Amino acid sequence: RKEVEQDPGPFNVPEGATVAFNCTYSNSASQSFFWYRQDCRKEPKLLMSVYSSGNEDGRFTAQLNRASQYISLLIRDSKLSDSATYLCVVSESMIKAAGNKLTFGGGTRVLVKP
Amino acid sequence: NAGVTQTPKFRVLKTGQSMTLLCAQDMNHEYMYWYRQDPGMGLRLIHYSVGEGTTAKGEVPDGYNVSRLKKQNFLLGLESAAPSQTSVYFCASSRTGEYYGYTFGSGTRLTVV
Repeated sequence: RKEVEQDPGPFNVPEGATVAFNCTYSNSASQSFFWYRQDCRKEPKLLMSVYSSGNEDGRFTAQLNRASQYISLLIRDSKLSDSATYLCVVSESMIKAAGNKLTFGGGTRVLVKP
Repeated sequence: NAGVTQTPKFRVLKTGQSMTLLCAQDMNHEYMYWYRQDPGMGLRLIHYSVGEGTTAKGEVPDGYNVSRLKKQNFLLGLESAAPSQTSVYFCASSRTGEYYGYTFGSGTRLTVV
């Protein structure tokens, strides 16, 4: 079983619509959670951290469910520029000697169409 | 403010050749990482460093070596390139503490023929 699993998609989304997708993680000791965005042939870029109480950043809302070990991302009023692959990222270790190692999911591809 | 800079951006190697990928960061980050990204495999950790002079193995370290002689630089070496090392390589850095994400470099596309 992969440590972080995501539906690879693609999610085809009409412009202006809302799209939501989840990822599940296997390490119950994980403390930090993130969503990264990766455009084609580019590096991953931090989209937002995910906090226990859930958090919102503009049109993006992230939720964390520790009991079921999943994280969700919701995009409202989708723009063409939201087309990208969204990577779910979970911390692996809190031990300083082990570094701040993050485990990346395989990504969910989102295509926003006019 | 450059962030994380990787050189080169593209490279084609013949099987058996060696090369070094350079990663430099100007954010005074303690931690640095080398990942490879392959279709269907996602990002996989090759080696990482928690400080100047220290390195450790990640998930897929075989065939690679690293060095961190200066805090701002993290070098990834391929001693004898193989076609299986064809990939996109990303360097990243982060602050200490588990609540900080990574800043990635723009990547190096390596093809081994």
